[in-house]
Amino acid sequence: KNEVEQSPQNLTAQEGEFITINCSYSVGISALHWLQQHPGGGIVSLFMLSSGKKKHGRLIATINIQEKHSSLHITASHPRDSAVYICAASPFTDKLIFGTGTRLQVFP
Amino acid sequence: DTEVTQTPKHLVMGMTNKKSLKCEQHMGHRAMYWYKQKAKKPPELMFVYSYEKLSINESVPSRFSPECPNSSLLNLHLHALQPEDSALYLCASSQDLLNYGYTFGSGTRLTVV
Repeated sequence: KNEVEQSPQNLTAQEGEFITINCSYSVGISALHWLQQHPGGGIVSLFMLSSGKKKHGRLIATINIQEKHSSLHITASHPRDSAVYICAASPFTDKLIFGTGTRLQVFP
Repeated sequence: DTEVTQTPKHLVMGMTNKKSLKCEQHMGHRAMYWYKQKAKKPPELMFVYSYEKLSINESVPSRFSPECPNSSLLNLHLHALQPEDSALYLCASSQDLLNYGYTFGSGTRLTVV
């Protein structure tokens, strides 16, 4: 079993829909990261969380430390949100443990 | 400057060639990383430099040789690679180890022929 699990693996949505991607982890962490990767491209860091909730534009990330669970929400989704979203845990070391990613496609 | 710049963006090399990948950041970050990413897989850590010293080598074959000439620059020297080494090579930096966010470069797409 992977130490960081993401669901769903693939997600298709219509433009305007509210989207949720989930991440569960089984290790103790100092922080949880949400990353975005467009096809063939580099990675953009969206959020780093150690508690509570963060919001940036249409993106919201939450974390529940007790339940070892984090969610990434996208409100009013748009085709340009189509990308792979990766959850990654920082387990009190200088390594990231990556989830397998969620491939999101938003259609107009 | 809030970016990690990687060059070249694309590289095709033969198995007998020697080439280098370059990564540069001017954010004053003290930790720099090399990752390898195969298609549809998450990145795999290769090397970590902290304060210009190699702190982690994830048992990477010696045909990959990292170098950190100064706090802003990270190189990855490539020699006698195999076709299975073809991948996206990502550089990242962080202000320091632990509890800091990461800034990733856009990667070098390497093809070994």
